[in-house]
Parts: sequence; C-alpha cells; structure tokens
Amino acid sequence: EAGVTQFPSHSVIEKGQTVTLRCDPISGHDNLYWYRRVMGKEIKFLLHFVKESKQDESGMPNNRFLAERTGGTYSTLKVQPAELEDSGVYFCASSQGNTGALDGYTFGSGTRLTVV
Amino acid sequence: AQSVTQPDIHITVSEGASLELRCNYSYGATPYLFWYVQSPGQGLQLLLKYFSGDTLVQGIKGFEAEFKRSQSSFNLRKPSVHWSDAAEYFCAVGAYSWGKLQFGAGTQVVVTP
Repeated sequence: EAGVTQFPSHSVIEKGQTVTLRCDPISGHDNLYWYRRVMGKEIKFLLHFVKESKQDESGMPNNRFLAERTGGTYSTLKVQPAELEDSGVYFCASSQGNTGALDGYTFGSGTRLTVV
Repeated sequence: AQSVTQPDIHITVSEGASLELRCNYSYGATPYLFWYVQSPGQGLQLLLKYFSGDTLVQGIKGFEAEFKRSQSSFNLRKPSVHWSDAAEYFCAVGAYSWGKLQFGAGTQVVVTP
C-alpha cells in the first residue's frame, strides 16, 4: 500500500508570504496528525483530525496556521503570513481507528519549510 | 507534567560495537512507547513499539528495546552497529491507543569505521 505522502518536500518562501502544505494519508486511515520540528528542537504535535473533524488542535501555535481536511481524505496546512520562526520540518502521520498505536503511526517524509 | 527525555543528544559508536540509547518518560500510567528513526533525507520510520506484554520487544533492523516500569525507561539497544545505522533516533510516548505522541529531543548516532 502507498504510504503517507507529503508535498512539497521543500519550500522556501519569503516572510509574509503564504504557504500550503499537503498530506495524503494512507487510504482508509481516519486519523491524521500534523507535527513540526523546528531546528534544534523536539518534534511537536500540532493537531489531530478524525476524518474531517479536528479532534485536538492544542498544538497549533497561533492563528496564522490553518489546517483543513475536507472530505476526510487529504489534509492541508496553510501558514499565512509566514514568519521566520515557522521554519522547520512539518511531518504528517496517519493511523487507523481507535487502536492506531497498536500498529504504530505511519509518518510521511516531511516538508522542509524555510522562511527567509 | 508529562515528559519524554532522551539524555544523550549525540552518540558516536564504532561499527560493530553495541549501541544503547536511553529514553525516560514521566506519565501517569503505562503509556504506549515507540522508537522511531530518521535517516538523512528520510521520514520517520517506526523501529518498534510497546504497550503491554513481554517487556523486551524486538523491532526491525536488529533493534530491541526493554520497558522497565520501575525506572520509567524504554531504552533501545542493538548488539552490533552497522554504518547504515547512522541516523537520528526518537523515543515517543502516547497516553492512549490513539491520539498524539510526545517526542523526546532525539539522539544523533554517528557510526565510525
């Protein structure tokens, strides 16, 4: 089966611009997660979708970040306007049902965002 | 507060030598425990996981980890390291069978000839 796909793999934008990251989870996975790793720091949770609903968005840093998962399939994470501190690697992960941990979460390769 | 600690930021090991990466957690109950590896230019790959049963778990690539409740630890080990094991390793903890994970800061492993 296809894994979790993220694109773009890299993005370089100027401060103040808008960037949209996309994540395609494994087909049939209801749970979709976004994480971020800022340079030199740990990987931090951003939010969790169950199908198209936001289950937990406690990790979203501020209202410049908007995540959507229309139709419960792929998800987008928009940063508008981007700031320098938004630079980092954005990971997406997916899992199935209420027992995703039992199978482990599958992560994508990440999108490296650089804001200059 | 819940936390995950990987005390070693950077470890250098010779090829063929053994490797042990430490992970300590602070959670209210026995959490779901994971080790992930990120090789250069790659995403996070699951090495192994633990949630119940035998406290010594086997994973991919010859890795194993031991859960020690009394020490709140979940250390990762490999008896003989290969050059391809050079990567960054992350311990992660979840409170439930679903939901968000909390990651440690990661341990960078360098393998020397």
